[in-house]
Amino acid sequence: SAVISQKPSRDICQRGTSLTIQCQVDSQVTMMFWYRQQPGQSLTLIATANQGSEATYESGFVIDKFPISRPNLTFSTLTVSNMSPEDSSIYLCSVEVEGAANYGYTFGSGTRLTVV
Amino acid sequence: RKEVEQDPGPFNVPEGATVAFNCTYSNSASQSFFWYRQDCRKEPKLLMSVYSSGNEDGRFTAQLNRASQYISLLIRDSKLSDSATYLCAVGGGYIPTFGRGTSLIVHP
Repeated sequence: SAVISQKPSRDICQRGTSLTIQCQVDSQVTMMFWYRQQPGQSLTLIATANQGSEATYESGFVIDKFPISRPNLTFSTLTVSNMSPEDSSIYLCSVEVEGAANYGYTFGSGTRLTVV
Repeated sequence: RKEVEQDPGPFNVPEGATVAFNCTYSNSASQSFFWYRQDCRKEPKLLMSVYSSGNEDGRFTAQLNRASQYISLLIRDSKLSDSATYLCAVGGGYIPTFGRGTSLIVHP
């Protein structure tokens, strides 16, 4: 299955600043996904990062707040802009694992963000 | 009704016990079903996909009940190392919706 390197693993940021999270995949993948997981909550899809086109955002998430880049088939970034304490969460990137008997989605190790 | 619902637990069981979790989904057109395991402060990891005929992987058995719109995960002979949160994921197209997870604590 694909291996994803996600960084930073954690950060503590001042409100009003921005943080860019990076995910590098060891193989080419068509789509990459960005999720948020707040304590005790399920994974919430923020957007789908498409190579060569704009990301597709889910309801409640906008490009100005969460700009996404996808310059090639192995890399994507998510920026959390103008942060507030409500943005404190774990952010995860994910790719679909194809071609395996037990296919599913693989996640990066997550970025634990605390906004103070 | 939420798209995917799970009992958050925690389920607190002794070693060696058999424990089962259910996950209900609202979209009858859902086509793909998964169980993930998430350890504390770690990312979710795919445990197993759930096939229409049901499937088994060692001590773990997953089943799908389309008529009642739920999937289940059965863990036999629980180990201390099975303690984790188990997330179900249900996909209508290609992007799954995740449940909140069910916490399992296996004690000696």
